[in-house]
Amino acid sequence: EPEVTQTPSHQVTQMGQEVILRCVPISNHLYFYWYRQILGQKVEFLVSFYNNEISEKSEIFDDQFSVERPDGSNFTLKIRSTKLEDSAMYFCASSEVGQGYNSPLHFGNGTRLTVT
Amino acid sequence: AQKVTQAQTEISVVEKEDVTLDCVYETRDTTYYLFWYKQPPSGELVFLIRRNSFDEQNEISGRYSWNFQKSTSSFNFTITASQVVDSAVYFCALSEAGSNYQLIWGAGTKLIIKP
Repeated sequence: EPEVTQTPSHQVTQMGQEVILRCVPISNHLYFYWYRQILGQKVEFLVSFYNNEISEKSEIFDDQFSVERPDGSNFTLKIRSTKLEDSAMYFCASSEVGQGYNSPLHFGNGTRLTVT
Repeated sequence: AQKVTQAQTEISVVEKEDVTLDCVYETRDTTYYLFWYKQPPSGELVFLIRRNSFDEQNEISGRYSWNFQKSTSSFNFTITASQVVDSAVYFCALSEAGSNYQLIWGAGTKLIIKP
């Protein structure tokens, strides 16, 4: 069964550094998402992406975050200047159609980001 | 106010017992969707089920069953004859037009199945 893949599985970075989290969505999916989960807390929506642009973003997704689909397969999340509070598990997800059409999200295994 | 409430923070049962995980949601939309996801200790999020607001039919999938009741705004999840491999955190989530269909997650219920 096709799956969403994320790399790396664990990223350790120093405060103030830039990180790029990578995702390869399922190939025939058109909608892509990033969610995060701070340890022990609920999952939070960050951003959705469709047709090469952001379709929705949460208030968490401020100017230090950006997303990109640099080629036909990858979908990246960049954090420009990491803060301690950015430490979390970051999940990429994709779906065939938008969430509004009852399309389940398929999640990757997550990247655990640790900011020291 | 919480839109998705999973009041049970942690449940611990002995293997083979049945267990029900509660989910109560809040929405003013008439069209919405409800989901359950499983997060095993390895950390990934595994889709289990989705249900739209117009379909109150309960669903059974093997040892898993879901009871959707609009009258009480609940979407409860029951595992029959639990197994150790069922140990995980289970999340209920809501997707509604009023929130642009972003997934709104409950806090999760940690389920521990003891051998």
